[in-house]
Parts: sequence; structure tokens; C-alpha cells
Amino acid sequence: GENVEQHPSTLSVQEGDSAVIKCTYSDSASNYFPWYKQELGKGPQLIIDIRSNVGEKKDQRIAVTLNKTAKHFSLHITETQPEDSAVYFCAASGDNYGQNFVFGPGTRLSVLP
Amino acid sequence: GAGVSQSPSNKVTEKGKDVELRCDPISGHTALYWYRQSLGQGLEFLIYFQGNSAPDKSGLPSDRFSAERTGGSVSTLTIQRTQQEDSAVYLCASSYAAEAPVPYEQYFGPGTRLTVT
Repeated sequence: GENVEQHPSTLSVQEGDSAVIKCTYSDSASNYFPWYKQELGKGPQLIIDIRSNVGEKKDQRIAVTLNKTAKHFSLHITETQPEDSAVYFCAASGDNYGQNFVFGPGTRLSVLP
Repeated sequence: GAGVSQSPSNKVTEKGKDVELRCDPISGHTALYWYRQSLGQGLEFLIYFQGNSAPDKSGLPSDRFSAERTGGSVSTLTIQRTQQEDSAVYLCASSYAAEAPVPYEQYFGPGTRLTVT
């Protein structure tokens, strides 16, 4: 089955700096890669996703890149703000999902004012 | 529109008691997931429902855990004879699922925090 690794587990950046979180996956059949943000006491919320037919997607300060050959994808947050502080989860899924929708272990991002 | 709702938001129970956790998915979403999240940890898949198909129960950790989904909408996760290690946040998510088995984003509820004393 699919296995997703995520690094780093914790990340501290100064406000205004960029943050990068990286994930690797094992199943070459995976074709959907979402990123979720989880704030304290809340459920995860989708912030951006990418499908395997594109290599990069951007939404304002957030971007995701995908390297299918290397089986890794990354989340890039520019001009970080204190409200970006949260736990971020990557995930990978192929068709016929269910248990094949696999989440990474999470990255706790702290943006220091 | 209304998102995924879960109840109760918090549940404290004594070891050995049974508990029921409820999830109301987004209307029209045919896929429903249950996850368990221990303190500071990632999401552990428990069970997946898709339409009228048989659920994928491969993530349930023991036979004390069961779930059902009535009428393709509301779902209940039941934990029998609770143990302290069952303490965690239980998250429900729903997703639109087209006829083709293409994965879509999941919308999560706020979770139920279960504490077994």
C-alpha cells in the first residue's frame, strides 16, 4: 500500500520568510496530492491540491510542486504570517481510494512575529 | 453551506463503557471516512463508506470498533468496552465521489475528543 513521509516534523520561521514542507510517496499509481492545514481544536482543512497531470500549482502565497519521477511533492508558503502557524498534512491517493488515501505524519509550523 | 458536523464535541467515558460518535456529512457527498488522531499525531484511517458499496473496514484496530452509515448519509462510529488507549480525537470527513474512481478532496468535521478514564 501507499506510504507517505513528511519532513520536517517541526518548522519555525520568522514572519515574512518562506516555509517549505516536503513529502515523499511510495505508490507510483497515486495521482492526487492534497495539503491540509489543521489549527488547534479544529479538523484539517484543504488549502491546495495537485493532480499528477501538472507539475506546479499556485494560489496566492501558497504553491505546490510535484515531481512524479522522484515521487515527491512540496508545499511552499511565501511571506509567512503568524496566522499560518498550524499543523500541515500532506496526503497521496490513487483511484479506488478508501484506505489508499494516505496522510503524512504532519509538520508543525510556527511563524514567529 | 453547512459543513461536516460531528457530535458530541467532547466525550468522557469510563473504561469498559460503550460510546457512539456521530457524523453528519455534507449533503450529496457519497464518500465518508473516519479517522483517529492521537495527541500530536497524524491521521489514522479507520473506515471508508462509498455509496451503497460494502465499507472498507481495513483500518479498524480491533473488533471493538464498528461503524455504520444509514441511508447513505449519517454515520455512527461505535466503540465497545472502551480502553484508555482509545482516547483520541475521532475525525469524520466526507467527499464527493464521481462514478469514476477518481479521488476528490475531503471535507473534515471538527472532531470528537474522546477521553477514557
